[in-house]
Amino acid sequence: AQKVTQAQTEISVVEKEDVTLDCVYETRDTTYYLFWYKQPPSGELVFLIRRNSFDEQNEISGRYSWNFQKSTSSFNFTITASQVVDSAVYFCALGSTNAGKSTFGDGTTLTVKP
Amino acid sequence: KAGVTQTPRYLIKTRGQQVTLSCSPISGHRSVSWYQQTPGQGLQFLFEYFSETQRNKGNFPGRFSGRQFSNSRSEMNVSTLELGDSALYLCASSLDGGERNTIYFGEGSWLTVV
Repeated sequence: AQKVTQAQTEISVVEKEDVTLDCVYETRDTTYYLFWYKQPPSGELVFLIRRNSFDEQNEISGRYSWNFQKSTSSFNFTITASQVVDSAVYFCALGSTNAGKSTFGDGTTLTVKP
Repeated sequence: KAGVTQTPRYLIKTRGQQVTLSCSPISGHRSVSWYQQTPGQGLQFLFEYFSETQRNKGNFPGRFSGRQFSNSRSEMNVSTLELGDSALYLCASSLDGGERNTIYFGEGSWLTVV
């Protein structure tokens, strides 16, 4: 069975602070895919990044960066110099042979205060 | 390119009624998945359709059903509504639901059962 754990239920930071959202996953698959989505109050889950299990290279996209460590089954997400617009619920997800049936964590609610 | 479109966005139903939600995937996407999101249970996979066939199913009672049309548009139906069915229902699409795909979500349909 697959499982995604986002231990941080809520995080609150002040604008311009850096923040890291943790994600730990469990799977028996040798090939799998990890995703991060952002969900603003409107409800839509916005795709942020996808990482394949065979590619452990970290990625940076503007203020966002992702640290994938297969050895610890973690796929953490860091926002540098956070902004109020980053306030949302962030979900980590795990997909395997069928991306349409992904397993999601419970989400981390990030609040960035001005 | 238009994203995943869901209708209606908001609806209120009475216990015992039935409801139909609609989803139009991204053009060219043939796999459509449905998820239920509630505060207590998080994001849970309902089912996935590909080429008008249900390919995967989550652990939901038979009151939850769906279908996909030849143009890849999908509908889900919930019969004999219960108060606990109040949730955000999210539709997602991907090229073919395969392991190399990313799933993209619509804004969701907010269902309130009273």
